[in-house]
Amino acid sequence: AQKVTQAQTEISVVEKEDVTLDCVYETRDTTYYLFWYKQPPSGELVFLIRRNSFDEQNEISGRYSWNFQKSTSSFNFTITASQVVDSAVYFCALSDRTLSGGSYIPTFGRGTSLIVHP
Amino acid sequence: NAGVTQTPKFRVLKTGQSMTLLCAQDMNHEYMYWYRQDPGMGLRLIHYSVGEGTTAKGEVPDGYNVSRLKKQNFLLGLESAAPSQTSVYFCASSSRSSYNEQFFGPGTRLTVL
Repeated sequence: AQKVTQAQTEISVVEKEDVTLDCVYETRDTTYYLFWYKQPPSGELVFLIRRNSFDEQNEISGRYSWNFQKSTSSFNFTITASQVVDSAVYFCALSDRTLSGGSYIPTFGRGTSLIVHP
Repeated sequence: NAGVTQTPKFRVLKTGQSMTLLCAQDMNHEYMYWYRQDPGMGLRLIHYSVGEGTTAKGEVPDGYNVSRLKKQNFLLGLESAAPSQTSVYFCASSSRSSYNEQFFGPGTRLTVL
């Protein structure tokens, strides 16, 4: 079973639509960290946000917002008024100690490809 | 600062050949990682290192070896390349204090014929 599930393989929207990318995770650690990364068509990976397991406050950064809910093990990402430049693959990642037993090592989801049409 | 750099950017190998991918970071990060990215599979961790002289296996370590002789460098070796190792390889680093916010290199596209 995947530790990080991004069920949406591809999402296609028209510019100015709002879009939510889902991320569901699984861990036995009480302390863990969740991330979102963006991979535009140019290929580089860019860090967007980190949350720790003790901070369930939602976060907003411009048109981006994140909703962390421990009760449903979800860390969803919403883009408001999408733009063509938002077209990219978005990865959710979970960092916990399951793999190493000591160090926090990240596991990535399979990614969601977002296509924003003009 | 160059951040994380990877050498080479592209490479084509024949089955059975060997090669080494070099990753270098100038941010004094303790942790370094090698991932492979395949279509529809996301990023899968091959090996990682939590410090100079230490390495550990990730999710998909078979067919690869690594070494971290210097803090700033993390080498990924393929001893006998196979077509299944055709992929894009990403190196990343992180500072322990940032709880694994990772900085990624630009990637190496490897094709094994």
